[in-house]
Amino acid sequence: NAGVTQTPKFQVLKTGQSMTLQCAQDMNHNSMYWYRQDPGMGLRLIYYSASEGTTDKGEVPNGYNVSRLNKREFSLRLESAAPSQTSVYFCASSDLRIWYFGEGSWLTVV
Amino acid sequence: AQSVSQHNHHVILSEAASLELGCNYSYGGTVNLFWYVQYPGQHLQLLLKYFSGDPLVKGIKGFEAEFIKSKFSFNLRKPSVQWSDTAEYFCAVRGGSYIPTFGRGTSLIVHP
Repeated sequence: NAGVTQTPKFQVLKTGQSMTLQCAQDMNHNSMYWYRQDPGMGLRLIYYSASEGTTDKGEVPNGYNVSRLNKREFSLRLESAAPSQTSVYFCASSDLRIWYFGEGSWLTVV
Repeated sequence: AQSVSQHNHHVILSEAASLELGCNYSYGGTVNLFWYVQYPGQHLQLLLKYFSGDPLVKGIKGFEAEFIKSKFSFNLRKPSVQWSDTAEYFCAVRGGSYIPTFGRGTSLIVHP
């Protein structure tokens, strides 16, 4: 029972490079989320998808795009990475009662 | 808009000490409240939640929290902490939005 799976776990990017973080859940949840976690800032919502085919901006969407590929998968793309995007990224899915989180993706932009 | 505040940013305790982490929220209507824990290098896991009913909620690993509506609070407690409780603790509130808002977290270090 995998729950929420994220890849990659660690990544180093150069400024201006692009990359995609992948997320998949096996709990048949409609809603999925991408958060970033920074020291002293807690979790901040980047984008979310209430259901397959819909996506919405969260608190800090600038510099990111998302794709809800199907009910299971929700990817986060950095088109032109910036040092300010150095962070830990968490994907989550929810049955609207409990939020289940992936193990995180540590991203460093140099 | 819903918001949540965790007053203690860093807490350091010795094993067997009692723990209370503060959480206050802002929202005038019905709320759901959560405490999540993040052990070093791991993902967030649900400790406990309050949706309705008994305001004293029991969670995993001996944690409990009390919802006090008049104080807009949902403080986390444990009578006797262990070294393995070293982690970051996040309070979250869900009110007007169906998506919870997370607090900034409290880092707990327990010395053996």
